[in-house]
Amino acid sequence: KQEVTQIPAALSVPEGENLVLNCSFTDSAIYNLQWFRQDPGKGLTSLLLIQSSQREQTSGRLNASLDKSSGRSTLYIAASQPGDSATYLCAVFTGNQFYFGTGTSLTVIP
Amino acid sequence: NAGVTQTPKFQVLKTGQSMTLQCAQDMNHNSMYWYRQDPGMGLRLIYYSASEGTTDKGEVPNGYNVSRLNKREFSLRLESAAPSQTSVYFCASRSQGRFSNQPQHFGDGTRLSIL
Repeated sequence: KQEVTQIPAALSVPEGENLVLNCSFTDSAIYNLQWFRQDPGKGLTSLLLIQSSQREQTSGRLNASLDKSSGRSTLYIAASQPGDSATYLCAVFTGNQFYFGTGTSLTVIP
Repeated sequence: NAGVTQTPKFQVLKTGQSMTLQCAQDMNHNSMYWYRQDPGMGLRLIYYSASEGTTDKGEVPNGYNVSRLNKREFSLRLESAAPSQTSVYFCASRSQGRFSNQPQHFGDGTRLSIL
């Protein structure tokens, strides 16, 4: 069974800092990996999707990388802002199902 | 754009009661999913429907049933609610692209408490 792990579980950084969130998965047979943001009491908002054939994907201040063979992905957030405070989740798609990590709770301190 | 709409947003039930959670999407997506989210457990797939007319079990299907009513709607039913089913339930949908590389879109969730 696919298992997805996100480390750290929580992270607190001062505003303006660049940061990296980590996601690892146990089975490299994936079609894609998706990063989400979840605000308290809300649903999940899709940030980036990386196909299994891609190495990275960028959107604004966000950059996600994928190393499928080693079972790792990172989400890089540049010049963090208080509005980036949220929980970030990654999910891998294995053809039928998505498997989610438990998330990293990010707090950006003004 | 409404996207994925879930009703109700909140619900309190007594043990043994039944209820149906509703989900509708207006993006013409083929696939729909039901998840539950519990503290420390992440999102776990309950059931999914890869296309209209099909449903399949996910990771945690026990105690639940689903109906794919049409392409837009996918409902989740608790026949006899138990306290262990207290959770936040999310519905998601996805367009089944040719290379299966389409993102999921989520509703805002249903917060369900069972006493």
